[in-house]
Amino acid sequence: GAVVSQHPSRVICKSGTSVKIECRSLDFQATTMFWYRQFPKQSLMLMATSNEGSKATYEQGVEKDKFLINHASLTLSTLTVTSAHPEDSSFYICSAIGGGGYQETQYFGPGTRLLVL
Amino acid sequence: SQKIEQNSEALNIQEGKTATLTCNYTNYSPAYLQWYRQDPGRGPVFLLLIRENEKEKRKERLKVTFDTTLKQSLFHITASQPADSATYLCAYKSGYSTLTFGKGTMLLVSP
Repeated sequence: GAVVSQHPSRVICKSGTSVKIECRSLDFQATTMFWYRQFPKQSLMLMATSNEGSKATYEQGVEKDKFLINHASLTLSTLTVTSAHPEDSSFYICSAIGGGGYQETQYFGPGTRLLVL
Repeated sequence: SQKIEQNSEALNIQEGKTATLTCNYTNYSPAYLQWYRQDPGRGPVFLLLIRENEKEKRKERLKVTFDTTLKQSLFHITASQPADSATYLCAYKSGYSTLTFGKGTMLLVSP
């Protein structure tokens, strides 16, 4: 099956700093990658959708200048949380879909726990 | 707008029994529904996909049904095991829209 990895799995940072999270599709080419955020006991909330080589599409209420997304290749997307604040503390999960048999199903990474002090 | 609803209360069952989880949607039938498993602190893991023209789909001990009349999908785990304890998420996608998730139902299987 398709494997998606994320790095780091956990990060603690000080308020005001920026944090970069990487998402990689390991055994398929991801034409589209998604970034979700999940608060405790809540559902996954889509933040943005990115296609390789083009600008990300952000969901309503998600600040594109705060959450910078780069999808530079078919196997890598990055999410940078700029000037992080405690309210940005959450579980960030990426997912990817690709060509062939991977088109309909989103495969998720293991998630990144961000804690902003 | 389309909403997807899952029972927010945890489902407690005994090992060996069949667990049945419910996913209801409110408006139009989605092109397909997907079921995922999520363990604490982990990303969701894809389990099954069922299209609107399919009534039932099986995979090992898992079975999913799709009833467009009731606007409902049922997810069954037969011969449940404590290792099946997790939160199960239902998600829909219509056409080219993005995947929308329900809040999930926690399943607890007691030995």
